[in-house]
Amino acid sequence: GAGVSQSPRYKVAKRGQDVALRCDPISGHVSLFWYQQALGQGPEFLTYFQNEAQLDKSGLPSDRFFAERPEGSVSTLKIQRTQQEDSAVYLCASSGEPGGEGIQYFGAGTRLSVL
Amino acid sequence: AQSVTQLDSQVPVFEEAPVELRCNYSSSVSVYLFWYVQYPNQGLQLLLKYLSGSTLVESINGFEAEFNKSQTSFHLRKPSVHISDTAEYFCAVRGPLTGTASKLTFGTGTRLQVTL
Repeated sequence: GAGVSQSPRYKVAKRGQDVALRCDPISGHVSLFWYQQALGQGPEFLTYFQNEAQLDKSGLPSDRFFAERPEGSVSTLKIQRTQQEDSAVYLCASSGEPGGEGIQYFGAGTRLSVL
Repeated sequence: AQSVTQLDSQVPVFEEAPVELRCNYSSSVSVYLFWYVQYPNQGLQLLLKYLSGSTLVESINGFEAEFNKSQTSFHLRKPSVHISDTAEYFCAVRGPLTGTASKLTFGTGTRLQVTL
């Protein structure tokens, strides 16, 4: 597609509920990143894929967070047993072929509110 | 490890006045620097980048930033702002494109509020 697409744009979850957030990167981009942006803060890195391989998941805050990209395109960030502190905007970014400038292009994000 | 400091959380300015948004970074490796802009309820848009070459980089809408290695800074400037420049501005740093070094590290952002 023309840009990075994320769905849903807004998600309200009850505490303890599982949620799944979807990211559809720019066609052909091999790298995909997830970031978490708390209110009034800058985005913070969660995890990174190169094609289907998850090369870095050092930013995932707990084992309740899980990300996958099984076919090297669409990615899903799953949060199990959501807690109020998980409330944030989750941003997805993709970047182009290896050897390029590695510019990351962001989607509009999913705003998660945990009640 | 890398870090970015944006000292000003908010910068109020009148329309047509000049503005500078400050950004300082620290890194143990060579860095690439970025400014992203975020309008309300939207994602981050790349404003400008420094990868190599000239230390002064410019955007299409009149912003410029200068990479200063000795002062570890990448301040954003515009000589005359417009109401439409009202947004959140994030400075970010990235290491070389090698595996895990390609993630972005962001500052906490600066809210630019332009008024008449």
